[in-house]
Amino acid sequence: ILNVEQSPQSLHVQEGDSTNFTCSFPSSNFYALHWYRWETAKSPEALFVMTLNGDEKKKGRISATLITKEGYSYLYIKGSQPEDSATYLCAPTGTGNQFYFGTGTSLTVIP
Amino acid sequence: GAVVSQHPSRVICKSGTSVKIECRSLDFQATTMFWYRQFPKKSLMLMATSNEGSKATYEQGVEKDKFLINHASLTLSTLTVTSAHPEDSSFYICSAPLLALSSYEQYFGPGTRLTVT
Repeated sequence: ILNVEQSPQSLHVQEGDSTNFTCSFPSSNFYALHWYRWETAKSPEALFVMTLNGDEKKKGRISATLITKEGYSYLYIKGSQPEDSATYLCAPTGTGNQFYFGTGTSLTVIP
Repeated sequence: GAVVSQHPSRVICKSGTSVKIECRSLDFQATTMFWYRQFPKKSLMLMATSNEGSKATYEQGVEKDKFLINHASLTLSTLTVTSAHPEDSSFYICSAPLLALSSYEQYFGPGTRLTVT
């Protein structure tokens, strides 16, 4: 699935602030939406996978919502910490194993 | 969890030479692996799908004669950048998929930073 847009492209927030960013994708041939977290010099790490419209997933202070009908997913970080600084990637997929990643959102949390 | 290794982590080569990058799945078999490239200030762009025992599938705009992919075993895929030029300098990363519950998950190697002088 191509034409995956993430916004904003980059984001700077103060420690303790909450933040959110979006992933938009074409809804045709959609099966699942993946969020990955990619820290510099490390391998991208899987955060969430969601398949159903309205799905919400949570891991600690990070949560994600999927709105398939509109072709959007939101990632929300509550009370951002410096260790949250990373690039967040989304990948909508079909039923196969091929991933096309979005443009990414680079988050910097300022202590 | 599943582990994917990649070697080398960094390589510097002269223009015109070829460089081979290895991607290994350490604790699982992968009939398919993927190669990505990161352009400056950009996300990961899928270059090609490596298929064990058959030819790789390249994404539009990726030169197959430039980026040779071989998937000789169920745990190893190699990417060879042939006749490298400075514009090939980039971060290359591989992944291998595993089926988890009802969908696939990609497990990534740590990446290779290629610098062509």
